[in-house]
Amino acid sequence: DAMVIQNPRYQVTQFGKPVTLSCSQTLNHNVMYWYQQKSSQAPKLLFHYYDKDFNNEADTPDNFQSRRPNTSFCFLDIRSPGLGDAAMYLCATSRDHAGGRETQYFGPGTRLLVL
Amino acid sequence: GQNIDQPTEMTATEGAIVQINCTYQTSGFNGLFWYQQHAGEAPTFLSYNVLDGLEEKGRFSSFLSRSKGYSYLLLKELQMKDSASYLCAVSLPEGGGNKLTFGTGTQLKVEL
Repeated sequence: DAMVIQNPRYQVTQFGKPVTLSCSQTLNHNVMYWYQQKSSQAPKLLFHYYDKDFNNEADTPDNFQSRRPNTSFCFLDIRSPGLGDAAMYLCATSRDHAGGRETQYFGPGTRLLVL
Repeated sequence: GQNIDQPTEMTATEGAIVQINCTYQTSGFNGLFWYQQHAGEAPTFLSYNVLDGLEEKGRFSSFLSRSKGYSYLLLKELQMKDSASYLCAVSLPEGGGNKLTFGTGTQLKVEL
């Protein structure tokens, strides 16, 4: 029973060509997150949505945007991918923060390759 | 900010017990989480601590000491499938959600 679904699992794009990664969830969680994880590094939070409220991390490049059209879906748009954007992109969901105690559930990730 | 340190690699024997340590310097957090991540897969939740002390969940236990800035994950009766990366993360509420700041992970190799 998939709870957090990411498509595609692997995405190849060209340098500078816009790409969109998608995430959907069946948990009805009101918070959705996007993380970037480069090889042998920790996942790094890019931004999150609390319902429709967008929360960007201060060091997330402008090249990265996100959309959340409804509770179930969230998209990561990379406007002009560079070679340094090749990474695993992880989507996660949780209920609201409850004082920082809510568990985040991760999708399987989309591995992005930039040629 | 948070600076989270874990050993890079550990090796242990099938059937044994292993302890993976995590130390942190942070101005404050609400919960400390442990995740398991197999190569090329998403992190999966193992355990979390809010209060000091030990939390036990089957073969996995996690311990937290806020005064010492220290946590560990204890894995008992190791199995080959436990070979994975183990990530320590601190959680702070932010913008209605939680911000998880991860350590770089400890790569555990379980051998026969």
